[in-house]
Amino acid sequence: EPEVTQTPSHQVTQMGQEVILRCVPISNHLYFYWYRQILGQKVEFLVSFYNNEISEKSEIFDDQFSVERPDGSNFTLKIRSTKLEDSAMYFCASSENRPAPIDGYTFGSGTRLTVV
Amino acid sequence: AQKVTQAQTEISVVEKEDVTLDCVYETRDTTYYLFWYKQPPSGELVFLIRRNSFDEQNEISGRYSWNFQKSTSSFNFTITASQVVDSAVYFCALRVTQGGSEKLVFGKGTKLTVNP
Repeated sequence: EPEVTQTPSHQVTQMGQEVILRCVPISNHLYFYWYRQILGQKVEFLVSFYNNEISEKSEIFDDQFSVERPDGSNFTLKIRSTKLEDSAMYFCASSENRPAPIDGYTFGSGTRLTVV
Repeated sequence: AQKVTQAQTEISVVEKEDVTLDCVYETRDTTYYLFWYKQPPSGELVFLIRRNSFDEQNEISGRYSWNFQKSTSSFNFTITASQVVDSAVYFCALRVTQGGSEKLVFGKGTKLTVNP
């Protein structure tokens, strides 16, 4: 079964450093998303991406964050100058079409980011 | 407001008991979609079901069943004869549309512990 692949599974970084979280969506999917889950809390929407541009972004997604689809297969989330409160699990998701695919949005297994 | 409320923070049951996880939603959309996801201790998000607003039929899949009631804006999830492997956090989510884009709004989740 096709999967959304996220790397790395766990990243530890020092406060103030830049990190890039990588995702490989399912190959025929067109819509891409990043979500964040602070430990023990709910999953929160960060950003959606379609046709090489951001469709929507949340209040969380400020100038510190950026997304890119650099090569037609990867979908990256960059966090500049990380802060302690950026520590969370970051999930990538993709869908083939809209609205609301029958088999749900396919989520990756997540990258746990720890900022120290 | 468009939101999902899962009032039960944690539930603990003994194996073979039935358990119902509650989900109440608010939306201004006339057509909408609801989802349930399972998050086991390993952390990934596993899709369980999608329900659209114009299909009020209840759904059963093995030991899982879902009760969708538009009149009370609820989409409850029942696990029959629970098993230890059902222990996880369960999230209810609502697809929200805005200006041509869409995203999932999650509830805070219910942590289910099934004890042997």
